[in-house]
Formats: sequence, structure tokens, C-alpha cells
Amino acid sequence: NAGVMQNPRHLVRRRGQEARLRCSPMKGHSHVYWYRQLPEEGLKFMVYLQKENIIDESGMPKERFSAEFPKEGPSILRIQQVVRGDSAAYFCASSPMGAPNYGYTFGSGTRLTVV
Amino acid sequence: AQTVTQSQPEMSVQEAETVTLSCTYDTSESNYYLFWYKQPPSRQMILVIRQEAYKQQNATENRFSVNFQKAAKSFSLKISDSQLGDTAMYFCAFIPDAGNMLTFGGGTRLMVKP
Repeated sequence: NAGVMQNPRHLVRRRGQEARLRCSPMKGHSHVYWYRQLPEEGLKFMVYLQKENIIDESGMPKERFSAEFPKEGPSILRIQQVVRGDSAAYFCASSPMGAPNYGYTFGSGTRLTVV
Repeated sequence: AQTVTQSQPEMSVQEAETVTLSCTYDTSESNYYLFWYKQPPSRQMILVIRQEAYKQQNATENRFSVNFQKAAKSFSLKISDSQLGDTAMYFCAFIPDAGNMLTFGGGTRLMVKP
């Protein structure tokens, strides 16, 4: 049973380009969470999605960032017109239900570098 | 809003010795869950141990144990018989019972020395 799969592992984008980060949850998990980790900091919540629904996006910047979790396929975190400050590690986590009291299962993250 | 504080940015310990990492949190919730995650250089976030606030008994997982003091809102992690593979960043995290989002502390970098 594969864990949470994120790709790419590393992504380099020039300022102004778009970044698309993908996350496939664990088999049987229908709840996906995205977190961002700036250098030397803890993870910060961005968005929580179920299939085809955004449940909580209180941690998402209001502009340039969007997320989706379609009926088929992985969850996508999209960052438009990237800036240097978007450089960070982006982690996806999944859980089988909406109250992850047993702790999430995290992916290995995507390290985004904006040059 | 909840906050999680880890007051030790860095710590070191000799192999085979015991080390304790501190974590305090602030919440008005009465029921919640606390976690310690390990992040080695590979960057993978690995769940080390979990504590339910309504359980008074401290959680234990092999060499890892916690000291949970609910009144003091303290949740420290003790690593016994430290091994070189324990070298990593350690993050304390909190989630309320009805919540969806983990709140993380800033992390403690642990170095185990041979």
C-alpha cells in the first residue's frame, strides 16, 4: 500500500511562471491537506479538501494560490505568477476521515525554488 | 486560536543517552490530540507518538515516551537510548477533537553524537 505520493520532488520555476504540485493520497483516503514549510520553520496549514470540495482554505493566500481535488486523479496545488517568497517545501497529507485524530500520513514534500 | 511553542531550537545528546524535548501549547479546547513528528534530512514527516488529552496515562512507543501535563499545557518528548538515526528535526503538533488542521511548533533540531 503506497503512502502519500507527491511529485515532483523538486521544482524550479522562474519568477512569474506557474507551479503545479501534485499529491496522490493513500489508497482509501478521501481527505487531503496541504501544508507549507518555510526554511527553519514548522509546517503551516494551507487548505483541506475532500473529493471535489474545498472544506477549509483559511491558510491559503488570497491571490495566486488555488487547490483542487477532482473526482479522478491527484490533488493539485497551483501557484500562479510565482515570486521568490513562494520558495518553500510543500507537504501533502491524507487521512481516511475528516477528523484526523490519529495523525495524518504525510508525503515527502515538493521543494519549490523560485529563481 | 491554538499556539504551539518549542523553546529549544537545537539540542544535542550522546549516543545511548537520554534527551527530553520540550513543548508547550495554548488552547481553550477541552479535548484534543498532541503529536510528535520527526523530520530527518530526507524531509519525510514521520509520526513518532500520539497522546489523547482525555487520557491521563502518558503514551509510550518503544524508546519514545511523553510527559503530558494537561494543567500546565506541557507535552515533552523523552528519547531513551538515543541512536544516530534519531538525528532530525522534531515537531510538536496539536489538533482539537473536532478540528481539521494540525498546528505545529517551530521545531527542535536534535543531533545525536557518536
